Amino acid sequence: QQQVKQSPQSLIVQKGGISIINCAYENTAFDYFPWYQQFPGKGPALLIAIRPDVSEKKEGRFTISFNKSAKQFSLHIMDSQPGDSATYFCAAVNGGYSGAGSYQLTFGKGTKLSVIP
Amino acid sequence: DTGVSQDPRHKITKRGQNVTFRCDPISEHNRLYWYRQTLGQGPEFLTYFQNEAQLEKSRLLSDRFSAERPKGSFSTLEIQRTEQGDSAMYLCASSLSTNGLGFFGQGTRLTVV
Repeated sequence: QQQVKQSPQSLIVQKGGISIINCAYENTAFDYFPWYQQFPGKGPALLIAIRPDVSEKKEGRFTISFNKSAKQFSLHIMDSQPGDSATYFCAAVNGGYSGAGSYQLTFGKGTKLSVIP
Repeated sequence: DTGVSQDPRHKITKRGQNVTFRCDPISEHNRLYWYRQTLGQGPEFLTYFQNEAQLEKSRLLSDRFSAERPKGSFSTLEIQRTEQGDSAMYLCASSLSTNGLGFFGQGTRLTVV
């Protein structure tokens, strides 16, 4: 049972374009939603995270949009650059906001982003 | 360097051998997690510690796997009688109990031949 579904599996974007990655979750106990960036041979690095009582969060070129009723959230990368080429994972945390869970992360399967010059 | 540190970075072992990995978390983080990542997949939760107590284990963690965190500082993950299916990247993450967002180490790449 895949609790966090991520799409697309791969994405090619022109330099300067907008990259959009979508995720959907099933477990309503999830209450914190981070995005991670991973380069080959490296561990995932936290990019940005959103709480379920917020519909949008922006940090620099990265924006998370969150739709609680639809149980969906997405990452937008504005002005995409070749250095953004990496695999992006959405994740969900049980208890990350309420403080009542184990805080284990449940990850999507990842999106390989390639930004071409 | 104040990040999460893992050792070794790479390990090649023969099937049936035992291997042990080490993780040094960010010093003020009281939660420590182990994840496993296979090629083309997201990391999957294995187990976590709050201080020295192991509070949760995934069903992925067979009885050949054991993890410890003596004194609530570094942690070790041991795999006994390795199998080819154990080949993966083993990731360690640490976090404060206040938000649960894990900061990951570089991982240990295990190859079982």
